[in-house]
Parts: sequence; C-alpha cells; structure tokens
Amino acid sequence: DTGVSQDPRHKITKRGQNVTFRCDPISEHNRLYWYRQTLGQGPEFLTYFQNEAQLEKSRLLSDRFSAERPKGSFSTLEIQRTEQGDSAMYLCASSSTFVRKFNEKLFFGSGTQLSVL
Amino acid sequence: GESVGLHLPTLSVQEGDNSIINCAYSNSASDYFIWYKQESGKGPQFIIDIRSNMDKRQGQRVTVLLNKTVKHLSLQIAATQPGDSAVYFCASRGEYGNKLVFGAGTILRVKS
Repeated sequence: DTGVSQDPRHKITKRGQNVTFRCDPISEHNRLYWYRQTLGQGPEFLTYFQNEAQLEKSRLLSDRFSAERPKGSFSTLEIQRTEQGDSAMYLCASSSTFVRKFNEKLFFGSGTQLSVL
Repeated sequence: GESVGLHLPTLSVQEGDNSIINCAYSNSASDYFIWYKQESGKGPQFIIDIRSNMDKRQGQRVTVLLNKTVKHLSLQIAATQPGDSAVYFCASRGEYGNKLVFGAGTILRVKS
C-alpha cells in the first residue's frame, strides 16, 4: 500500500490554458474523491466516483472542470481555459466501502498545487 | 447551508501541555465526524473519527469529544509535541451524504 499518489505536484500555467491532473488511489479502493483547497481554508468537495461511475458533483464545479475514472482505478481532473481563480491545491482522496459499511475515512494524497498566471 | 467551522484560527501551546481544538457544525443530521492534521505541503492525514452514537473516543494521545446537543466537536491532544504543529481540520458527513464537509482549520503552534 503506497498511499494515494498525485501527479504533478506542482503546475504553473498561463490563463486560458488547459491542465490535467492525475490521481492514483490506494489499490482496491473503490471510491475516489477530488477536493480543492485554497490557502487558509479547508478542502472543498468537487466530485467523487464509486468505481468508474461519477456519483456526485459539487454545484460549485464549473463546466470547465471534468473528471474521469475510466477503468475504476486512476482518475484525471481536467480544467479547461484556466482562470486565475482556479489557483489552488487540488487534492485527491480514496476510500473503501468494503472494509466496513459506510467507511467514511478518506486517505488523501499530497495534492497538485496549481498556479494560474 | 451546511457548514463546519472552528472557534479559534490559531492556538499556541507550550510543549508538554495539553491542547484542545474546538469545532462547531451546523448539520444536526451529521452522523460521522473526523479530525485531520495537515502539515505544510502535504495532504490531510487522518487522526481520529467518531460516530454520532458516541460521545467520546480515544486514540493514542488524542481524544475526540462530541456534544450533539450544542453541535460541538473537540480534539484533545495530550502532552503536545513539536511534531504536532500543523493545521487541524474537523469534518462531518451528512446523514445521507457520501462526502466530508470540512471546516476552515485551526493552526496549532507548539513552543519548545
């Protein structure tokens, strides 16, 4: 068990560019979450998957954001036409519903820090 | 809307003292609560959790207390060490939700 892995750790981009982040969850974890965190704030929920199905998206999630988990393992988060307000830490977390019913404990990766210039 | 918030943004304690970090939540239907620790440049790290059918739960050097009457949660750290310096977040899960809602965080500074 190597933990949740995120790539890249840092991304600097110019406004208007598209960026894509990758998350590799803990193996055999069936749930995968994306959160966004700005400085001094707690993580803010964006979306989550159970296996390959995207079950919930935040109402705050702009249509410029899209996430996929095509094979139920790794996930990608893409932001199109980035804006300066997208600058934040993007955190991925995973959990397993097999260990116990309604296992809510999320295991987080170290995040991808996005800076939009 | 649903919110989970903290009373104190920064807490400074002397090494060896006990620390208490407080948290208020607004969703009375929340059935699960969790504390995370986050160090600079890292993702949140699980500390301890508690279900709504419990009032207290203890871990190694940490205790979580839940008061559902006033919708208040606290994290107690015994014999605080310099390595405990970090930002601490509480989070809650709604009765039918599958996501955790986080508060804004409390900075814990441990003075040697």
